[in-house]
Amino acid sequence: KAGVTQTPRYLIKTRGQQVTLSCSPISGHRSVSWYQQTPGQGLQFLFEYFSETQRNKGNFPGRFSGRQFSNSRSEMNVSTLELGDSALYLCASSLGLPRTDTQYFGPGTRLTVL
Amino acid sequence: DAKTTQPNSMESNEEEPVHLPCNHSTISGTDYIHWYRQLPSQGPEYVIHGLTSNVNNRMASLAIAEDRKSSTLILHRATLRDAAVYYCILTNNTNAGKSTFGDGTTLTVKP
Repeated sequence: KAGVTQTPRYLIKTRGQQVTLSCSPISGHRSVSWYQQTPGQGLQFLFEYFSETQRNKGNFPGRFSGRQFSNSRSEMNVSTLELGDSALYLCASSLGLPRTDTQYFGPGTRLTVL
Repeated sequence: DAKTTQPNSMESNEEEPVHLPCNHSTISGTDYIHWYRQLPSQGPEYVIHGLTSNVNNRMASLAIAEDRKSSTLILHRATLRDAAVYYCILTNNTNAGKSTFGDGTTLTVKP
């Protein structure tokens, strides 16, 4: 089976722009979670989707949003980018609920905001 | 959310066992203990998980204290490829549960 794929792998944006990141889970997986990883804050939870429904949301401003499609693919959007949004954005998929099922992580999208 | 506490860093010699501790004194009865590791320039990868009993798989063993307030990831023979950041997290199946990754333990393996 193909692993979790994320596109694009690298992205450079300027402050004030918006960005959309994409995640394709492992075939058959119904849950997708998003994380932000920075050197200072570590791995922080953004959202969790299961069967197109957002089940959990982390402590991030409303500029961060996401959605999941019927084929389980997921996108996250960040509007009005700030310098502090520069980070590695990781997507993880799991067969069922990520609380008890193993999460499989993608390689991440490295976002740089100038 | 229940938190975990891990040492910032640990060192090991190659081919020796490594015991990575994790404290989770506020664990609830429905929390699973998951371990992930992150190699340089990669996303985290699953290592092992458990609920109450000790667990073994091809990568590692997980020893869970009787009161479940702590656990230990055991790598039986460390290799250079095991050098990574190891995260211990608690997860549960309620809507309020969120995977909270701490800073993890950076494991250095010396040849």
